[in-house]
Amino acid sequence: AQSVTQPDIHITVSEGASLELRCNYSYGATPYLFWYVQSPGQGLQLLLKYFSGDTLVQGIKGFEAEFKRSQSSFNLRKPSVHWSDAAEYFCAVGVEYGNKLVFGAGTILRVKS
Amino acid sequence: DAGVIQSPRHEVTEMGQEVTLRCKPISGHNSLFWYRQTMMRGLELLIYFNNNVPIDDSGMPEDRFSAKMPNASFSTLKIQPSEPRDSAVYFCASSFRDRPVYGYTFGSGTRLTVV
Repeated sequence: AQSVTQPDIHITVSEGASLELRCNYSYGATPYLFWYVQSPGQGLQLLLKYFSGDTLVQGIKGFEAEFKRSQSSFNLRKPSVHWSDAAEYFCAVGVEYGNKLVFGAGTILRVKS
Repeated sequence: DAGVIQSPRHEVTEMGQEVTLRCKPISGHNSLFWYRQTMMRGLELLIYFNNNVPIDDSGMPEDRFSAKMPNASFSTLKIQPSEPRDSAVYFCASSFRDRPVYGYTFGSGTRLTVV
């Protein structure tokens, strides 16, 4: 069965600084990988997804993520963080012939001015 | 499109009462998911439907929980009787076809408090 690990529970960065949120997955075949963001009191919004092709995927709000098969990782990055990026970020993995997504525990991002 | 619509947004109920949470998926989506989010356990998949048929309910915690999808545009999650440990945010999500490549669209959730 697939699983997802987000090693960092909380991350604090200064506004304007770069950001990288880590995600490691466990799955024997090619996974489908997602990053979602959840603002306080809101549902989850899809930032980006990877399922084939170019291993660097671009998403909304200036985010990107890179799939590295050798490291079983799908880290989320942003070159310059804005205060409005403060939220909780979830990595998720799915499989091709099954419709279940398994979510990581989430990483809470705090942005300091 | 209005997105996935959940109601109510907030529900406070007394222990032992029946609670019904409602979800309207995006039109044209044929997969629907119920998730529960708590601080301790994160996001847990409770049950999901394809074409209105329950496919996997292994995440439903116990018999007090039941879910139905009588048609393509409506689903309910019922807890009877409710207990304080059921307090959580319950999310509904829908997806186009039963392929994860399409991702999920989540509703805004129902925050349930059982006192």
